[in-house]
Amino acid sequence: GAVVSQHPSWVICKSGTSVKIECRSLDFQATTMFWYRQFPKQSLMLMATSNEGSKATYEQGVEKDKFLINHASLTLSTLTVTSAHPEDSSFYICSARSTEGPGYEQYFGPGTRLTVT
Amino acid sequence: AQSVTQPDIHITVSEGASLELRCNYSYGATPYLFWYVQSPGQGLQLLLKYFSGDTLVQGIKGFEAEFKRSQSSFNLRKPSVHWSDAAEYFCAVGAWSGNQFYFGTGTSLTVIP
Repeated sequence: GAVVSQHPSWVICKSGTSVKIECRSLDFQATTMFWYRQFPKQSLMLMATSNEGSKATYEQGVEKDKFLINHASLTLSTLTVTSAHPEDSSFYICSARSTEGPGYEQYFGPGTRLTVT
Repeated sequence: AQSVTQPDIHITVSEGASLELRCNYSYGATPYLFWYVQSPGQGLQLLLKYFSGDTLVQGIKGFEAEFKRSQSSFNLRKPSVHWSDAAEYFCAVGAWSGNQFYFGTGTSLTVIP
């Protein structure tokens, strides 16, 4: 149980285009999902917290107009990287918190590798 | 301020040897502690977690960790390392609400034959 998927697993796009990454909780409902960014050989940095039916909360320094987050249902959150540039290339990981049981556990997706050329 | 420190950036051990990865945390409330493993290009897999009770917790793949409140530590151990254990290991501390996860910088483990 508690499986989180991400799609696509990797994507290459041209500079200036937009890319959407999906995060789905497959066997549980998630009121809250989280988006992380990971640079090579570094730890995960929380970008934003996504709550179903409301606006996302962004961490300091994260451009909300560039990284659009939508959490339209209890099983799906999307991250859209708008007008992507090479510096946006990174590994993006989402996680989801179940609506049931303890609140302190997050289940992580497999990640999406974004390369902007 | 909340933080997680993994003092060892990189560790190399021989296959069959014992392993201990260190993790220290600073957290203002009751900490909920986790160890994750990440293989290259992959997401995070939960190895084990501590919420309360017995301070020695058992996880998957033969790993265990001990919570020591007095030392603010949650070190990960394995008695005999396998070549497949080579990966990046992250310690994390979270809040009860689940809204905040603080990750350490990770420890890269290399296993030599």
